[in-house]
Amino acid sequence: ENVLTQSPGTLSLSPGDRATLSCRASQTVTADFVAWFQQRPGQPPRLLISGASTRAPGVPDRFSGSGSGTDFTLVISRLETEDFAVYYCHQHASAPLTFGGGTKVEIK
Amino acid sequence: QVKLQESGPGLVKPAETLSLNCTVSGGSISNDYWSWIRQSPDKGLEWIGYISNMGNTKYNPSLRGRVTLSMATSQSQISLKMTAVTAADTAVYYCARQQWLADPFDFWGQGTLVTVSA
Repeated sequence: ENVLTQSPGTLSLSPGDRATLSCRASQTVTADFVAWFQQRPGQPPRLLISGASTRAPGVPDRFSGSGSGTDFTLVISRLETEDFAVYYCHQHASAPLTFGGGTKVEIK
Repeated sequence: QVKLQESGPGLVKPAETLSLNCTVSGGSISNDYWSWIRQSPDKGLEWIGYISNMGNTKYNPSLRGRVTLSMATSQSQISLKMTAVTAADTAVYYCARQQWLADPFDFWGQGTLVTVSA
């Protein structure tokens, strides 16, 4: 099983700040099969990024993803109020499909 | 726009079978791959398994053969059955779509909370 470890667990930031979220896989994963999701309270996860770096339709360009091998990153360039949420990385390259434990981005 | 809606009992007794349905609208379940994913505070997001448009299935080995997915094309429904449930199976259960296995989960249902308790 490819275990995804996200860091930090919590990011305390202010609107307008830059957020950098990390995801490390226990095994190499093809970037094509890495995604990032945003989850707000009471809502299902929402797809933000696929293929490690491709924004999903309707996702603002302040969200960007990068990475390869075992290390992947999601950057939110300037936090808006609606961006305070939990973010998950995910690999769908090999079964069992796995998710990271999440990074909570909270208002400082 | 594809919409998914989970339904089923919110309370299941220990050792019994959990049964949920996912009804799809705005698209055909004869295409695509359909997964069940659950979320709990202890385990986070956990993929349960998928069923393909051809009826092929793959399950998370962690669930040790307790899970069966099936589809009823005429009713646009994907079903989940999980046997011998325990309190550890208490979670919000989501169904979600992939267009192909190479694609990410792009549409999710709102989720349904299932509590396992006597």
